[in-house]
Amino acid sequence: DTGVSQNPRHKITKRGQNVTFRCDPISEHNRLYWYRQTLGQGPEFLTYFQNEAQLEKSRLLSDRFSAERPKGSFSTLEIQRTEQGDSAMYLCASSLESSGGRSYNEQFFGPGTRLTVL
Amino acid sequence: AQKVTQAQTEISVVEKEDVTLDCVYETRDTTYYLFWYKQPPSGELVFLIRRNSFDEQNEISGRYSWNFQKSTSSFNFTITASQVVDSAVYFCALSDLDNYGQNFVFGPGTRLSVLP
Repeated sequence: DTGVSQNPRHKITKRGQNVTFRCDPISEHNRLYWYRQTLGQGPEFLTYFQNEAQLEKSRLLSDRFSAERPKGSFSTLEIQRTEQGDSAMYLCASSLESSGGRSYNEQFFGPGTRLTVL
Repeated sequence: AQKVTQAQTEISVVEKEDVTLDCVYETRDTTYYLFWYKQPPSGELVFLIRRNSFDEQNEISGRYSWNFQKSTSSFNFTITASQVVDSAVYFCALSDLDNYGQNFVFGPGTRLSVLP
């Protein structure tokens, strides 16, 4: 299967601990996105990458969150000093930018990582 | 700022009934994209459709159809002859033409339950 994969699928941690999630996009896709989804809400944009460059970060994103995509392939999202409010589903998506600089192509989503902070 | 409203939080229908999911959006852009995604119990968002703002033709794909009305800023989704497998949360989304970043906004979703 060549879809977007995310690991781990579930993570339970204690408040104050650091956690790291991984996303492997569809191999030929050059854009990668992170979203957060809380219960009963739609996904909320966190950040996105064009190849290895992080081009945009949500204004709402705390400094405790950091994301990397070092070789333009997989990406990691780290949350430092987790808080109970960080409990959510973290979704990754990827897309292929079309020529001309406009992304006309759909975002393909992974299954998500569900984080529970106790 | 972009905003998407899905006023129906939950809908229940009996199998084979038709059901319409409402989506109303707000944007200052004159050109934009609208989307519908399905999120089944497994959790993975599945793309259903993307529509350009300058194309107001309605679209039909099998049992699915979409009614885009720019005059009322609505992009409603109808499932004809619903099936149990249609049970999921459906999200309407809006983006500018760059289709990424903070301008890609999802609505809160409508949970559809199709009962046998």
